[in-house]
Amino acid sequence: AQTVTQSQPEMSVQEAETVTLSCTYDTSESDYYLFWYKQPPSRQMILVIRQEAYKQQNATENRFSVNFQKAAKSFSLKISDSQLGDAAMYFCAYRTTGGGSEKLVFGKGTKLTVNP
Amino acid sequence: DAGITQSPRHKVTETGTPVTLRCHQTENHRYMYWYRQDPGHGLRLIHYSYGVKDTDKGEVSDGYSVSRSKTEDFLLTLESATSSQTSVYFCAISAFGGNEKLFFGSGTQLSVL
Repeated sequence: AQTVTQSQPEMSVQEAETVTLSCTYDTSESDYYLFWYKQPPSRQMILVIRQEAYKQQNATENRFSVNFQKAAKSFSLKISDSQLGDAAMYFCAYRTTGGGSEKLVFGKGTKLTVNP
Repeated sequence: DAGITQSPRHKVTETGTPVTLRCHQTENHRYMYWYRQDPGHGLRLIHYSYGVKDTDKGEVSDGYSVSRSKTEDFLLTLESATSSQTSVYFCAISAFGGNEKLFFGSGTQLSVL
């Protein structure tokens, strides 16, 4: 079974600085998808960024980018120019493909604090 | 925002009573999921559905059952609630497999006393 590990339960960053959240996963598959979700205090789950495993190019979405290392099974999230609104729980997630069993497996999350 | 409604938003119940949580979608999406969220555990998959009457177990399915008789509704039932099932329950939907994003409901806070 696939597993997702986020080794940093909590992180903090100064406003306007850059922070990197770590995620590793374990799988025997070659084709899959990876996601980062943000959960602010409102409890709403918000997709931040996604990466297809077959793409070598790292995904970027404005201030958010990933460092995808397929061989190392690593998928870190970099937040540049951190803003107060970035404070939230961040979850890394893995999704298998095909076969009808396309469930999303989450890590335990990293709580990000942004200091003014 | 995707049309997902979870009901109820909050519920307090007693140990041993049956509880049913409802997820209703207006997107006609094929896949529906139930997750529970607990501190220190993140989101864990309880059950999911890949079509009407097609369901499968997730990693924490013991004590839970589901039903999907219509595309738009996915019910989660706790046959006899226990205190360990106190949690926040999220429903999610997606249209296709692969990299289609999941849309989440707002969650149901369930307290079992």
